[in-house]
Amino acid sequence: GQNIDQPTEMTATEGAIVQINCTYQTSGFNGLFWYQQHAGEAPTFLSYNVLDGLEEKGRFSSFLSRSKGYSYLLLKELQMKDSASYLCAGTLSSASKIIFGSGTRLSIRP
Amino acid sequence: GAVVSQHPSRVICKSGTSVKIECRSLDFQATTMFWYRQFPKQSLMLMATSNEGSKATYEQGVEKDKFLINHASLTLSTLTVTSAHPEDSSFYICSARDISAGGDNEQFFGPGTRLTVL
Repeated sequence: GQNIDQPTEMTATEGAIVQINCTYQTSGFNGLFWYQQHAGEAPTFLSYNVLDGLEEKGRFSSFLSRSKGYSYLLLKELQMKDSASYLCAGTLSSASKIIFGSGTRLSIRP
Repeated sequence: GAVVSQHPSRVICKSGTSVKIECRSLDFQATTMFWYRQFPKQSLMLMATSNEGSKATYEQGVEKDKFLINHASLTLSTLTVTSAHPEDSSFYICSARDISAGGDNEQFFGPGTRLTVL
């Protein structure tokens, strides 16, 4: 089966760094996405990891360990606009569909 | 980048009526589109996979007779919520996969449709 877990809520301070973890147990796992979603809007793509390791893209970095079934999204130099839900999602090798985790609501305080 | 549109963006209807939501890929062709539903403060739940020219594949627990999906062309998929009830009120989001791109990281989301059933 497929099971993707991430914390429900997190709070961080403007200018700081925050790491959002995601663990997964998916049969036929192929790769892992991170999406950002502001309230009432559709998700926007942040990153996609298919190989182990860290991928950096500006203030955002994403890490994947396939052997451990673990990923994290690292946000640096936090800004108030980073307050949003962050969705971890896995793709299955047998199909092109994406399975989403429950999402982590990140609140940034001044 | 690739753009996916949805229409309408917001709809309010009476209980018992049917509502059609369109999902279009504007600058690319999509043999496969996906329909998601999202309730407040929850994540996206995949409802079905829409395949151009063939029947949709529904996820477990999703009633195919209630949520009719038609994928008549490479750029358009429609979701019809039949005999809508207040519990169907939700945010419906589609995504489309670009057939010209390799791998499974080429999937783009529409802006969503907010359905409210009175």
